[in-house]
Amino acid sequence: DIQMTQSPSFLSASVGDRVTINCKASQNINRYLNWYQQKLGEAPKLLIYNANSLQTGIPSRFSGSGSGTDFTLTISSLQPEDVATYFCLQHNSWPRTFGGGTKLELK
Amino acid sequence: VQLVESGGGLVQPGKSLKLSCSASGFTFSSYGMHWIRQAPGKGLDWVAYISSSSGTVYADAVKGRFTISRDNAKNTLYLQLNSLKSEDTAIYYCARRGATEADYWGQGVMVTVSS
Repeated sequence: DIQMTQSPSFLSASVGDRVTINCKASQNINRYLNWYQQKLGEAPKLLIYNANSLQTGIPSRFSGSGSGTDFTLTISSLQPEDVATYFCLQHNSWPRTFGGGTKLELK
Repeated sequence: VQLVESGGGLVQPGKSLKLSCSASGFTFSSYGMHWIRQAPGKGLDWVAYISSSSGTVYADAVKGRFTISRDNAKNTLYLQLNSLKSEDTAIYYCARRGATEADYWGQGVMVTVSS
């Protein structure tokens, strides 16, 4: 199975900050990496698919980069509504595997 | 796109439960579907997948105990959970495999396995 190591596990940042979250795959997953946002008590929502494609309706302050084994989700200017937990998902091979999550809070 | 799960609840270890996911707003028969779960306070854990042609894939942790199926006439996805264990306690989400993996998710249904 492909292991997805996400970092950091916890992140505290101020409104307007640039925030980066990382996912590292245990083997090459090409660009088959999605990012999700999960607010408290809600279902996950797709933000970025195939490493760097912005899902329809998602604000442009969210972006993704990377390929192979190393991937990054960037929020260019943190907004209060971005407080949530963020997960990555590899869909290169079965079984699908998620990163452990990054809990993002406001400082 | 709307996905609505149902069928969760409290069940004793070793017993069974069947979850449903009612789909609307898209041509259900044309899409693969996932079940994904989240234990209380934990991360996401992929459970099973069924393709539009009913091919299936399972996580090792549930293989032989859980069965994913679909009824395209009813626009409904199912997950039969047998021989339940305490570690199966989680919110179970159904999610569509659309233009990309897990593009839309339901709100989830809670399954609690406890005596």
